[in-house]
Amino acid sequence: NAGVMQNPRHLVRRRGQEARLRCSPMKGHSHVYWYRQLPEEGLKFMVYLQKENIIDESGMPKERFSAEFPKEGPSILRIQQVVRGDSAAYFCASSPTPGATQYFGPGTRLLVL
Amino acid sequence: AQRVTQPEKLLSVFKGAPVELKCNYSYSGSPELFWYVQYSRQRLQLLLRHISRESIKGFTADLNKGETSFHLKKPFAQEEDSAMYYCAATQGGSEKLVFGKGTKLTVNP
Repeated sequence: NAGVMQNPRHLVRRRGQEARLRCSPMKGHSHVYWYRQLPEEGLKFMVYLQKENIIDESGMPKERFSAEFPKEGPSILRIQQVVRGDSAAYFCASSPTPGATQYFGPGTRLLVL
Repeated sequence: AQRVTQPEKLLSVFKGAPVELKCNYSYSGSPELFWYVQYSRQRLQLLLRHISRESIKGFTADLNKGETSFHLKKPFAQEEDSAMYYCAATQGGSEKLVFGKGTKLTVNP
């Protein structure tokens, strides 16, 4: 089992561009979680999704951020019109069922110039 | 607000010495507590969770509800224990993990 995959591992964008971050959960996992880590901070929850459903988006900024987990393919975290403050490491985790251990991916490091 | 606090940003010990990484939480009710570890150039991985009451790699952690703490302990630190350690919590059926800011442990030879 390859574990949770995230791509790209590093992403550079200019202010105003869009960033798309992808997460492929572990095989057999249908629950996906996104976290953001700012420099010198702990990971902060953003959103929890099941296939085709957003279960908890209480940590998502109200504007410019969206997430999806389609029936086929990876989960996508999309950031529109990026700003410098979006520069961070974005981690994805997956689990087979609610309450089970969350397994983390290697993260995507976004740098906004 | 739900909060997890790790008061030490950095912790340095010598090989063979005991180590304790502190974690305090502020939650009402009965949260579930976790310790995650991130070794250099590796992904974040679960070290232990309090409900399983396991000892992993010689580490243990006891939930102290009176002191609202979940400190991570190991009697004899090894150089390979050098890593970032994050305490985390969930509660009330929520899947949302709330993390502390982490403690960087360095075990010197």
